[in-house]
Amino acid sequence: AQKITQTQPGMFVQEKEAVTLDCTYDTSDQSYGLFWYKQPSSGEMIFLIYQGSYDEQNATEGRYSLNFQKARKSANLVISASQLGDSAMYFCAMINRLQGAQKLVFGQGTRLTINP
Amino acid sequence: NAGVMQNPRHLVRRRGQEARLRCSPMKGHSHVYWYRQLPEEGLKFMVYLQKENIIDESGMPKERFSAEFPKEGPSILRIQQVVRGDSAAYFCASSPGSSFYEQFFGPGTRLTVL
Repeated sequence: AQKITQTQPGMFVQEKEAVTLDCTYDTSDQSYGLFWYKQPSSGEMIFLIYQGSYDEQNATEGRYSLNFQKARKSANLVISASQLGDSAMYFCAMINRLQGAQKLVFGQGTRLTINP
Repeated sequence: NAGVMQNPRHLVRRRGQEARLRCSPMKGHSHVYWYRQLPEEGLKFMVYLQKENIIDESGMPKERFSAEFPKEGPSILRIQQVVRGDSAAYFCASSPGSSFYEQFFGPGTRLTVL
């Protein structure tokens, strides 16, 4: 069974600082994908970044990068130069790429608060 | 190019009533997924459907919950005889096909059971 663990229930960071949100995963599958989503207070789920298990390079999308350490089964999200608008819940999620039914498995989330 | 649409955005029901949640996937998407988010928790998979077929319903409660995705029209998540524990945000996501990894989420329906 797949499992995602996010050990930081909440984080407080000063504006313009970089922040790392932790995510570890557990799976016996060889082919899988890892996602990060942002959920602001308005409630919608916003896709941020994706990393495939066979991707050799760490994924980057603007100020977001994914620090993928396969041997440690970790997929931490790094946000550079944080902004007030980054305050939100952040969820790490995993997908099995070989199964026909590709349900996402989510972690419990980390609430990030950016202080001015 | 409209995204995934869900309605209603907010739904209030009294205990024992029925709740119907609708999801229209993105144009060209034939795969629909439903997830439930209880307060202060992550999303939990409920069911995966293709047109006229339920592919995986391993996350659906055994009673009172059902889902469909007819040939024409939106996908429907139906909750019969709602209880207070059903209060949650219900998200629908869609994708073009099972080999495509990204799922596009709708804005969610917030169900409140009084």
